[in-house]
Amino acid sequence: LAKTTQPISMDSYEGQEVNITCSHNNIATNDYITWYQQFPSQGPRFIIQGYKTKVTNEVASLFIPADRKSSTLSLPRVSLSDTAVYYCLVAPAYSGAGSYQLTFGKGTKLSVIP
Amino acid sequence: KAGVTQTPRYLIKTRGQQVTLSCSPISGHRSVSWYQQTPGQGLQFLFEYFSETQRNKGNFPGRFSGRQFSNSRSEMNVSTLELGDSALYLCASSWAGTSDTQYFGPGTRLTVL
Repeated sequence: LAKTTQPISMDSYEGQEVNITCSHNNIATNDYITWYQQFPSQGPRFIIQGYKTKVTNEVASLFIPADRKSSTLSLPRVSLSDTAVYYCLVAPAYSGAGSYQLTFGKGTKLSVIP
Repeated sequence: KAGVTQTPRYLIKTRGQQVTLSCSPISGHRSVSWYQQTPGQGLQFLFEYFSETQRNKGNFPGRFSGRQFSNSRSEMNVSTLELGDSALYLCASSWAGTSDTQYFGPGTRLTVL
């Protein structure tokens, strides 16, 4: 079971790059890493997903080292609207081999300061 | 396209009662997962249904159950409610499952008195 650990909170000024790291020491071979953003009173929203190395989309980058025991979500030039809670999720692609566990981190509350 | 919808949005029950929550996934999605979110425990996985079959289950007591219908709509039931069941219950739908991009609904806020 890949337990995940994230910082509880982070502060950043507008316009800065923010990096949030998630540790998942027991990640399994077929586990994927997904990051979600959640605003108050809303459900989480998908940001980015990766398996290894680096993935980039229009809103973020995800860095995964070769051992895959951690992952770092990078948000370029944050704005006030990026103030939210960010979760990493480690979950395997379903293999048909029976039940599996998936683990959300406790979330990192990012506060962007003007 | 329409997003994931959950009904009701808010619910107040008393201890010992039972409750049924409903989730309508995005059209075409066959996987529906349920999560419980509380300030102390964060987001915890309850179970996943795919094509009407429970494919995966988290570590919750048997009082928590669910089902999925042929149109992929899903219901979650909690029997013999306890105070600790007060939480935001979220459902998420996806094409392939929990490792795929999940689209979350707004949640049902359950308060147990």
